[in-house]
Amino acid sequence: DSGVTQTPKHLITATGQRVTLRCSPRSGDLSVYWYQQSLDQGLQFLIQYYNGEERAKGNILERFSAQQFPDLHSELNLSSLELGDSALYFCASSVRDPLRPDTQYFGPGTRLTVL
Amino acid sequence: GDSVTQMEGPVTLSEEAFLTINCTYTATGYPSLFWYVQYPGEGLQLLLKATKADDKGSNKGFEATYRKETTSFHLEKGSVQVSDSAVYFCALRGGSGNTGKLIFGQGTTLQVKP
Repeated sequence: DSGVTQTPKHLITATGQRVTLRCSPRSGDLSVYWYQQSLDQGLQFLIQYYNGEERAKGNILERFSAQQFPDLHSELNLSSLELGDSALYFCASSVRDPLRPDTQYFGPGTRLTVL
Repeated sequence: GDSVTQMEGPVTLSEEAFLTINCTYTATGYPSLFWYVQYPGEGLQLLLKATKADDKGSNKGFEATYRKETTSFHLEKGSVQVSDSAVYFCALRGGSGNTGKLIFGQGTTLQVKP
């Protein structure tokens, strides 16, 4: 158990809909990262938040957005869903010491299926 | 930009065979290197890491040495078990500062047969 929790574990929805994925980092971790794992694109970095602020952006679509709340949990919002958004979405956390980026610990993932 | 290339899978071995999964990288600066493992139906688990050249990461019988001269971080295990069957990802975290994003290789599936 990495200490990172993600909900829900599975999500099935229809095209055009909007969903929210939730992540709680390990206790004390300040950074949250979101990754997407799909068969055609592999594992890709989407976005990072550090202590409530957006820190880095990767290959994240404009239809997707994220935020990190004062209690450090994070949400990834996916809207106007398309079939191609079906994937496994991972959250990872790290950085208890802001001067020393360290290992990222991954949650179990949320499997999103868009029908 | 930074990238990671892993050997194509799947890799199929008999129990107790020697394992090598090749990983090479392209990066600016001095990246940290990682191997993560994903067991069927589960998330990613950190297997081992190395943060500077010539460092050797090791865990559960797996080893990998950070070779800057060949930009490689090959994963090895002397004697694999059926329970090692999983997908293995090589990754790098490059640059400095707190961005820390991981760049992953495409993953290598390992199947170990009894």
